[in-house]
Amino acid sequence: ETGVTQTPRHLVMGMTNKKSLKCEQHLGHNAMYWYKQSAKKPLELMFVYNFKEQTENNSVPSRFSPECPNSSHLFLHLHTLQPEDSALYLCASSQDHRTDRSNQPQHFGDGTRLSIL
Amino acid sequence: AQSVAQPEDQVNVAEGNPLTVKCTYSVSGNPYLFWYVQYPNRGLQFLLKYITGDNLVKGSYGFEAEFNKSQTSFHLKKPSALVSDSALYFCAVRDRFGSGTLTFGKGTMLLVSP
Repeated sequence: ETGVTQTPRHLVMGMTNKKSLKCEQHLGHNAMYWYKQSAKKPLELMFVYNFKEQTENNSVPSRFSPECPNSSHLFLHLHTLQPEDSALYLCASSQDHRTDRSNQPQHFGDGTRLSIL
Repeated sequence: AQSVAQPEDQVNVAEGNPLTVKCTYSVSGNPYLFWYVQYPNRGLQFLLKYITGDNLVKGSYGFEAEFNKSQTSFHLKKPSALVSDSALYFCAVRDRFGSGTLTFGKGTMLLVSP
């Protein structure tokens, strides 16, 4: 049990579909993150939300659209994805993303395995 | 800029033997350093961290890591490996006075044979 829950665990979609990934944390954290994990590549940070405000967007294509309605929930809306977007998408949370409190570890969900046909 | 290098894609060790998974880092200031483990079909799990103080940090499941400032290294160690330790291990660094972003290495697969 990680305290960070991601749904669905697996998703297969066509390039023209629209779908959403959901993440929920039960740890009372204020920062939430989306990462992309592809085979043989380092973990790629996509988005950071701190106290519901987006603080980082690492040049992610607009076909990925994050939403953070409150500190416990994070969504990743997907639209018109490409085959190279197939990967494991990991959500994480931490106490606070601000530098003076950034010595706390991030807690990860088990990810959504996304396959684009 | 900050970066992490894990020079080995895979480490093989026999059960009962000591293990070391290597990590070197680069930051402009002082580092916060972390080790995570990932089992198949799971997310990353936090193992241990170095913030300040004692250079030898103890973490979960009998793992420890040694911070070496002069060599900019943070190697993960365990005195006696278990088959169940087989997994993917990630080192990560954050600049204490940077943006707060965590940078991960590419991961090292640890295989412990019976």
